[in-house]
Amino acid sequence: DQQVKQNSPSLSVQEGRISILNCDYTNSMFDYFLWYKKYPAEGPTFLISISSIKDKNEDGRFTVFLNKSAKHLSLHIVPSQPGDSAVYFCAASVGADKLIFGTGTRLQVFP
Amino acid sequence: DTAVSQTPKYLVTQMGNDKSIKCEQNLGHDTMYWYKQDSKKFLKIMFSYNNKELIINETVPNRFSPKSPDKAHLNLHINSLELGDSAVYFCASSQELKILAKNIQYFGAGTRLSVL
Repeated sequence: DQQVKQNSPSLSVQEGRISILNCDYTNSMFDYFLWYKKYPAEGPTFLISISSIKDKNEDGRFTVFLNKSAKHLSLHIVPSQPGDSAVYFCAASVGADKLIFGTGTRLQVFP
Repeated sequence: DTAVSQTPKYLVTQMGNDKSIKCEQNLGHDTMYWYKQDSKKFLKIMFSYNNKELIINETVPNRFSPKSPDKAHLNLHINSLELGDSAVYFCASSQELKILAKNIQYFGAGTRLSVL
């Protein structure tokens, strides 16, 4: 039962353009959402989060949007940089005791 | 100075063997976790410990036994290894159990376990 889904396994974007990574979830009880970024041979590192009471959170080049009615989350990176090339995981929590992760989207930013 | 460190990074072993993976965090966090990332890239929680007390056990076979000698360490011991145990295992820690705005989970670099 996959409660958090990232349906695009990969995304390729030109440097300077916007990257949009998408995430869908099925559990309406999720109350907190996070994005993690992972480079090869490293563990995931926290990027940005959003509470279910908000619909947008921004941190520099990264913005997360939450559409609760659609049970959809997206991460916007603008402008995209080659150093953003990594695997991005969407995660969600309910009851604040554990994270449920998606399977990740591999982002490649090319010059 | 690595915040969450796991050893070993790679582990190749035969079916039926017993092995351990060690995890240490120097962040002063109260909560530690073990995750498993399988071949389909699902990153799933296995266990969480808060102040050395087991909080979450996600229907993991009892061949897997976490041990927390103190708040800074959470080791994972696996008995009678099976082919399906091959995966990348990540340790993580967070300041406290609740997942709040500032309560981020910090991950180790992972241990790639291959069971032959």
